Amino acid sequence: GAVVSQHPSRVICKSGTSVKIECRSLDFQATTMFWYRQFPKQSLMLMATSNEGSKATYEQGVEKDKFLINHASLTLSTLTVTSAHPEDSSFYICSARVTGAHSYNEQFFGPGTRLTVL
Amino acid sequence: KQEVTQIPAALSVPEGENLVLNCSFTDSAIYNLQWFRQDPGKGLTSLLLIQSSQREQTSGRLNASLDKSSGRSTLYIAASQPGDSATYLCAAPNSGNTPLVFGKGTRLSVIA
Repeated sequence: GAVVSQHPSRVICKSGTSVKIECRSLDFQATTMFWYRQFPKQSLMLMATSNEGSKATYEQGVEKDKFLINHASLTLSTLTVTSAHPEDSSFYICSARVTGAHSYNEQFFGPGTRLTVL
Repeated sequence: KQEVTQIPAALSVPEGENLVLNCSFTDSAIYNLQWFRQDPGKGLTSLLLIQSSQREQTSGRLNASLDKSSGRSTLYIAASQPGDSATYLCAAPNSGNTPLVFGKGTRLSVIA
Protein backbone atom coordinates (compact mmCIF):
# COMPACT_ATOMS: atom_id res chain seq x y z
CA GLY A 1 0.00 0.00 0.00
CA ALA A 2 0.87 3.66 -0.17
CA VAL A 3 3.26 5.05 2.43
CA VAL A 4 2.70 8.10 4.58
CA SER A 5 5.38 9.45 6.89
CA GLN A 6 5.24 11.87 9.79
CA HIS A 7 7.96 13.88 11.41
CA PRO A 8 8.80 14.10 14.21
CA SER A 9 7.55 10.89 15.78
CA ARG A 10 7.83 12.33 19.24
CA VAL A 11 8.26 15.86 20.56
CA ILE A 12 8.43 17.36 24.03
CA CYS A 13 8.17 21.10 24.35
CA LYS A 14 7.62 23.81 26.90
CA SER A 15 4.29 25.52 27.30
CA GLY A 16 3.95 28.53 25.02
CA THR A 17 6.14 27.27 22.21
CA SER A 18 4.98 26.27 18.74
CA VAL A 19 5.45 22.84 17.25
CA LYS A 20 5.33 21.88 13.58
CA ILE A 21 4.41 18.37 12.45
CA GLU A 22 4.99 17.24 8.88
CA CYS A 23 2.96 14.68 6.97
CA ARG A 24 4.32 13.36 3.68
CA SER A 25 2.95 10.98 1.09
CA LEU A 26 6.07 9.18 -0.07
CA ASP A 27 5.02 7.34 -3.20
CA PHE A 28 1.87 9.08 -4.34
CA GLN A 29 0.37 12.52 -4.65
CA ALA A 30 -2.39 13.53 -2.29
CA THR A 31 -4.62 16.48 -2.98
CA THR A 32 -6.36 15.82 0.30
CA MET A 33 -4.85 14.97 3.66
CA PHE A 34 -6.52 14.72 7.03
CA TRP A 35 -5.33 15.51 10.53
CA TYR A 36 -6.64 13.52 13.48
CA ARG A 37 -6.07 13.68 17.20
CA GLN A 38 -6.23 10.74 19.54
CA PHE A 39 -6.35 10.77 23.33
CA PRO A 40 -5.31 7.69 25.35
CA LYS A 41 -7.65 4.76 24.80
CA GLN A 42 -9.92 6.87 22.63
CA SER A 43 -10.65 6.72 18.96
CA LEU A 44 -9.45 9.16 16.36
CA MET A 45 -11.07 12.57 16.24
CA LEU A 46 -10.92 14.43 12.97
CA MET A 47 -9.45 17.91 13.38
CA ALA A 48 -9.30 19.22 9.84
CA THR A 49 -9.19 18.41 6.17
CA SER A 50 -6.15 19.74 4.37
CA ASN A 51 -6.55 20.58 0.69
CA GLU A 52 -3.59 21.28 -1.55
CA GLY A 53 -3.49 24.89 -2.63
CA SER A 54 -6.45 26.03 -0.55
CA LYS A 55 -7.45 26.66 3.01
CA ALA A 56 -8.03 23.78 5.36
CA THR A 57 -11.51 22.87 6.52
CA TYR A 58 -11.71 22.62 10.30
CA GLU A 59 -14.13 20.54 12.31
CA GLN A 60 -16.40 22.21 14.78
CA GLY A 61 -14.63 23.08 17.99
CA VAL A 62 -11.12 23.05 16.50
CA GLU A 63 -9.43 26.45 16.66
CA LYS A 64 -7.96 27.27 13.27
CA ASP A 65 -5.66 29.93 14.72
CA LYS A 66 -4.22 27.45 17.16
CA PHE A 67 -3.82 24.54 14.76
CA LEU A 68 -2.39 26.00 11.57
CA ILE A 69 -2.48 23.76 8.55
CA ASN A 70 -0.55 24.28 5.35
CA HIS A 71 -0.77 21.99 2.33
CA ALA A 72 1.69 23.64 -0.01
CA SER A 73 2.43 20.66 -2.25
CA LEU A 74 0.84 17.43 -3.36
CA THR A 75 3.05 15.43 -1.02
CA LEU A 76 3.30 17.57 2.10
CA SER A 77 0.92 18.92 4.70
CA THR A 78 2.03 20.53 7.94
CA LEU A 79 0.23 21.04 11.22
CA THR A 80 1.57 23.73 13.53
CA VAL A 81 0.37 23.77 17.11
CA THR A 82 0.82 27.39 18.16
CA SER A 83 1.42 28.46 21.75
CA ALA A 84 1.11 24.90 22.92
CA HIS A 85 -0.32 24.14 26.36
CA PRO A 86 -0.38 20.91 28.37
CA GLU A 87 -3.93 20.19 27.26
CA ASP A 88 -2.63 20.01 23.67
CA SER A 89 -0.61 16.95 24.61
CA SER A 90 -1.93 14.16 22.45
CA PHE A 91 -1.19 11.74 19.63
CA TYR A 92 -1.56 13.46 16.26
CA ILE A 93 -2.06 11.30 13.18
CA CYS A 94 -2.33 12.35 9.56
CA SER A 95 -3.71 10.46 6.61
CA ALA A 96 -3.59 10.91 2.87
CA ARG A 97 -6.24 9.87 0.45
CA VAL A 98 -5.36 8.08 -2.74
CA THR A 99 -7.53 9.26 -5.60
CA GLY A 100 -7.97 8.19 -9.17
CA ALA A 101 -9.12 5.07 -10.96
CA HIS A 102 -8.97 1.86 -8.91
CA SER A 103 -7.98 3.72 -5.73
CA TYR A 104 -11.48 3.75 -4.20
CA ASN A 105 -10.41 6.78 -2.18
CA GLU A 106 -8.56 4.61 0.29
CA GLN A 107 -6.84 6.46 3.10
CA PHE A 108 -3.39 5.62 4.38
CA PHE A 109 -2.18 6.78 7.74
CA GLY A 110 1.09 8.05 9.06
CA PRO A 111 2.75 6.56 12.15
CA GLY A 112 1.65 9.44 14.35
CA THR A 113 3.39 12.12 16.40
CA ARG A 114 3.33 12.04 20.19
CA LEU A 115 3.25 15.61 21.51
CA THR A 116 3.96 16.27 25.16
CA VAL A 117 3.71 19.84 26.39
CA LEU A 118 5.31 20.47 29.78
CA LYS B 1 -24.16 12.56 10.38
CA GLN B 2 -22.47 9.18 10.18
CA GLU B 3 -21.97 7.32 13.44
CA VAL B 4 -19.88 4.17 13.72
CA THR B 5 -20.17 1.75 16.61
CA GLN B 6 -17.99 -1.22 17.40
CA ILE B 7 -18.83 -4.15 19.61
CA PRO B 8 -17.32 -5.49 21.78
CA ALA B 9 -15.05 -2.80 23.17
CA ALA B 10 -12.59 -5.45 24.32
CA LEU B 11 -12.14 -9.13 23.64
CA SER B 12 -9.76 -11.72 25.03
CA VAL B 13 -9.43 -15.12 23.38
CA PRO B 14 -7.04 -18.07 23.56
CA GLU B 15 -4.66 -18.58 20.70
CA GLY B 16 -6.09 -20.51 17.77
CA GLU B 17 -9.66 -19.36 18.13
CA ASN B 18 -11.62 -17.88 15.28
CA LEU B 19 -13.28 -14.58 16.18
CA VAL B 20 -15.59 -11.91 14.82
CA LEU B 21 -15.46 -8.19 15.42
CA ASN B 22 -18.57 -6.17 14.74
CA CYS B 23 -19.06 -2.72 13.29
CA SER B 24 -22.30 -0.88 12.65
CA PHE B 25 -22.93 2.43 10.92
CA THR B 26 -25.97 4.67 10.79
CA ASP B 27 -25.81 6.08 7.26
CA SER B 28 -25.84 3.32 4.65
CA ALA B 29 -24.90 5.69 1.83
CA ILE B 30 -21.24 4.84 2.28
CA TYR B 31 -18.65 4.88 -0.48
CA ASN B 32 -16.51 2.26 1.18
CA LEU B 33 -15.57 0.88 4.57
CA GLN B 34 -12.10 0.32 5.93
CA TRP B 35 -10.76 -1.84 8.73
CA PHE B 36 -7.58 -0.80 10.46
CA ARG B 37 -5.26 -2.19 13.07
CA GLN B 38 -3.55 0.00 15.64
CA ASP B 39 -0.80 -1.18 17.95
CA PRO B 40 -0.23 0.78 21.19
CA GLY B 41 1.40 4.14 20.53
CA LYS B 42 1.48 3.54 16.79
CA GLY B 43 -0.36 4.78 13.73
CA LEU B 44 -2.99 2.89 11.79
CA THR B 45 -2.36 0.02 9.43
CA SER B 46 -4.97 -0.47 6.74
CA LEU B 47 -6.18 -4.08 6.74
CA LEU B 48 -9.05 -4.23 4.29
CA LEU B 49 -11.14 -1.86 2.24
CA ILE B 50 -14.57 -2.91 1.03
CA GLN B 51 -16.21 -0.93 -1.71
CA SER B 52 -19.90 -0.18 -1.38
CA SER B 53 -20.65 -2.56 -4.24
CA GLN B 54 -18.80 -5.45 -2.61
CA ARG B 55 -19.98 -7.82 0.08
CA GLU B 56 -16.64 -9.03 1.35
CA GLN B 57 -12.89 -8.83 1.07
CA THR B 58 -10.25 -11.30 2.16
CA SER B 59 -6.60 -10.95 3.04
CA GLY B 60 -4.85 -13.96 4.51
CA ARG B 61 -6.59 -14.93 7.75
CA LEU B 62 -8.79 -11.85 7.64
CA ASN B 63 -12.19 -11.60 6.03
CA ALA B 64 -14.34 -8.51 6.16
CA SER B 65 -17.98 -8.45 5.15
CA LEU B 66 -20.29 -5.56 4.39
CA ASP B 67 -24.08 -5.43 4.55
CA LYS B 68 -25.14 -1.92 3.68
CA SER B 69 -28.84 -2.57 4.06
CA SER B 70 -28.41 -3.47 7.72
CA GLY B 71 -25.58 -1.02 8.32
CA ARG B 72 -23.14 -3.70 9.45
CA SER B 73 -19.67 -4.95 8.78
CA THR B 74 -17.78 -7.77 10.41
CA LEU B 75 -14.11 -8.61 10.56
CA TYR B 76 -13.43 -12.32 10.86
CA ILE B 77 -10.02 -13.42 12.08
CA ALA B 78 -9.21 -17.09 11.62
CA ALA B 79 -6.83 -19.07 13.81
CA SER B 80 -5.92 -16.09 15.98
CA GLN B 81 -2.32 -15.60 17.08
CA PRO B 82 -0.76 -13.54 19.90
CA GLY B 83 0.60 -11.21 17.22
CA ASP B 84 -2.99 -10.31 16.33
CA SER B 85 -3.32 -8.52 19.66
CA ALA B 86 -4.09 -4.88 18.88
CA THR B 87 -6.99 -2.45 18.61
CA TYR B 88 -9.10 -2.93 15.51
CA LEU B 89 -10.92 0.10 14.12
CA CYS B 90 -13.54 0.31 11.43
CA ALA B 91 -14.26 3.53 9.62
CA ALA B 92 -16.58 4.74 6.91
CA PRO B 93 -17.08 8.02 5.05
CA ASN B 94 -20.45 9.15 3.82
CA SER B 95 -19.14 9.57 0.33
CA GLY B 96 -15.86 9.51 -1.51
CA ASN B 97 -15.08 13.06 -0.56
CA THR B 98 -15.75 13.17 3.14
CA PRO B 99 -13.33 12.12 5.88
CA LEU B 100 -13.55 8.79 7.61
CA VAL B 101 -15.71 8.44 10.69
CA PHE B 102 -14.18 6.00 13.15
CA GLY B 103 -15.65 3.65 15.67
CA LYS B 104 -14.07 3.51 19.11
CA GLY B 105 -12.38 0.23 18.29
CA THR B 106 -12.22 -3.27 19.70
CA ARG B 107 -9.17 -4.04 21.82
CA LEU B 108 -8.21 -7.64 21.08
CA SER B 109 -5.95 -9.76 23.25
CA VAL B 110 -4.94 -13.20 22.03
CA ILE B 111 -3.52 -15.27 24.86
CA ALA B 112 -0.82 -17.82 24.11
